[in-house]
Amino acid sequence: DTAVSQTPKYLVTQMGNDKSIKCEQNLGHDTMYWYKQDSKKFLKIMFSYNNKELIINETVPNRFSPKSPDKAHLNLHINSLELGDSAVYFCASSSTGPTNEKLFFGSGTQLSVL
Amino acid sequence: GQNIDQPTEMTATEGAIVQINCTYQTSGFNGLFWYQQHAGEAPTFLSYNVLDGLEEKGRFSSFLSRSKGYSYLLLKELQMKDSASYLCAVSGLYGQNFVFGPGTRLSVLP
Repeated sequence: DTAVSQTPKYLVTQMGNDKSIKCEQNLGHDTMYWYKQDSKKFLKIMFSYNNKELIINETVPNRFSPKSPDKAHLNLHINSLELGDSAVYFCASSSTGPTNEKLFFGSGTQLSVL
Repeated sequence: GQNIDQPTEMTATEGAIVQINCTYQTSGFNGLFWYQQHAGEAPTFLSYNVLDGLEEKGRFSSFLSRSKGYSYLLLKELQMKDSASYLCAVSGLYGQNFVFGPGTRLSVLP
């Protein structure tokens, strides 16, 4: 069973379109994340949700809107896609608290905006 | 804020030992992690340090000095499959913010 699954794996779309990436974890974790990895391979945090509540919102355009219907899901919706949005997007999850636990990553979604 | 620094690239020979350094400055610290990422794949967990000292896990060891804001990952008996990017990450207070360094691309040569 896949621990953190995200779909789709590849997404090719035109500028100006709206698209969504879905993420689900079956690990019982309370915190989920979205990371963006650009062409230089720098992995940058975008959002963090803890028990469906937004904890971290880095400097991300408001065209990006995360949605967490429950603590096992964190979806990412992107409006009016731009060329610079092309990157690999990783979903991840972890448990938090006094004993920190590691991040588990999904397999990534490669977004190409044409 | 958090600032994490690592060398961009390193090269080593099969069978050798390589040390990848990481320095960090953070406003909150809950632990330091090392991840391995092969091209086209997701990062995978390698090691975790929360207290000062060395953690050993087979061919991989990781060291942490909290007072110096410094960690290193030591890879022994290098194999070709160890060619990958190695990412240093710091988790903040309550572990709700994992921030990654720029990664070190390691090439293992025959």
